[in-house]
Amino acid sequence: NAGVTQTPKFQVLKTGQSMTLQCAQDMNHEYMSWYRQDPGMGLRLIHYSVGAGITDQGEVPNGYNVSRSTTEDFPLRLLSAAPSQTSVYFCASSYSYSTSGIAGGELFFGEGSRLTVL
Amino acid sequence: AQSVTQLDSHVSVSEGTPVLLRCNYSSSYSPSLFWYVQHPNKGLQLLLKYTSAATLVKGINGFEAEFKKSETSFHLTKPSAHMSDAAEYFCVVAIYNQGGKLIFGQGTELSVKP
Repeated sequence: NAGVTQTPKFQVLKTGQSMTLQCAQDMNHEYMSWYRQDPGMGLRLIHYSVGAGITDQGEVPNGYNVSRSTTEDFPLRLLSAAPSQTSVYFCASSYSYSTSGIAGGELFFGEGSRLTVL
Repeated sequence: AQSVTQLDSHVSVSEGTPVLLRCNYSSSYSPSLFWYVQHPNKGLQLLLKYTSAATLVKGINGFEAEFKKSETSFHLTKPSAHMSDAAEYFCVVAIYNQGGKLIFGQGTELSVKP
């Protein structure tokens, strides 16, 4: 059972380059999200999706784009990388989402993608 | 506005001694609170959750947390630390008036000495 799979695990970019972080889940989860983790700041929500074709911004969306064409996949695109985007990125999913929020509050996380922008 | 504060960025204990990781929250609504654990180079995993049922919540690996409304606290405890408990721990509050988004604390790194 793969769960949430992120690729690549490590990436080094130059300022101005673009790239896509891939996220796939095989649990048929409705809700998917991207977080970034920076030292001393916990995790901050970048974008999220409550189902195929539906996305919304989180706390720190600037410089990132997402799309959700299938239930399984939720790629995160960096349009023009900046050193401030050096971080560890986590994709997380949950089996359902309603007006009261993420079902049970439980998110299933991938193992992270460590991005360095020079 | 909802927020969560973890009072210690780093806690060090000896194997076999109790663990206490402190978390205070601020919420205008009846909160849902969670503790997540992150082992090195891994994703986060749900340890336990409080959603307005019993105030003492038991989680995996012998951890438990007590919701104290009067103190706005949700501290994580374990009677006896094990080497495998060394990890980073995050206290989390759910913002249900903003679509259930989760707000993560800054994290507490737990070290366990032999």
